[in-house]
Amino acid sequence: GQSLEQPSEVTAVEGAIVQINCTYQTSGFYGLSWYQQHDGGAPTFLSYNALDGLEETGRFSSFLSRSDSYGYLLLQELQMKDSASYFCAVRNQGGKLIFGQGTELSVKP
Amino acid sequence: DTAVSQTPKYLVTQMGNDKSIKCEQNLGHDTMYWYKQDSKKFLKIMFSYNNKELIINETVPNRFSPKSPDKAHLNLHINSLELGDSAVYFCASSQEIGIQYFGPGTRLTVT
Repeated sequence: GQSLEQPSEVTAVEGAIVQINCTYQTSGFYGLSWYQQHDGGAPTFLSYNALDGLEETGRFSSFLSRSDSYGYLLLQELQMKDSASYFCAVRNQGGKLIFGQGTELSVKP
Repeated sequence: DTAVSQTPKYLVTQMGNDKSIKCEQNLGHDTMYWYKQDSKKFLKIMFSYNNKELIINETVPNRFSPKSPDKAHLNLHINSLELGDSAVYFCASSQEIGIQYFGPGTRLTVT
């Protein structure tokens, strides 16, 4: 079967660092993506890891360990506007993107 | 200027009606998708087209019929709407499966 696990909620304060973990089980694995979605908005692409290691894009970084079937999204210098849902998604051998249930991040002042 | 656009943004209709949602992308991508997002925010793929050809057809009632007149357009027609069809429907496009660009969504409410 296929499954992705990520925490349902995370709360942090402005300026802090937060890590959202994602573990997955899938038939064939080609890469792990992260998407951000604000309330009432559309999912927006953040990052894609096909190989092990850390990818950094500004305040956001994404990590993948294929041997552990695990990845995370790291958000630094949190801002209020980062309050949103964050989805990990696995690209599988069927050519699909399978999404996790999403993590709702609340950033407090 | 919009990369992926959808119309309409909101759709309120009665059970049993037929409705269509249109999607267009100007990114030059080969692949387009329809997703359904339910009230719990679960995002599930419904269909995928590559260069006008259907390549993914998930377990979706056959009341849902996608159509791709060209690789920049992907429409979704829904027959005999049911209460359970109420959701947000997102169109997306990509050149690489892991990197998808989503439209603004169509919020469908069936009463």
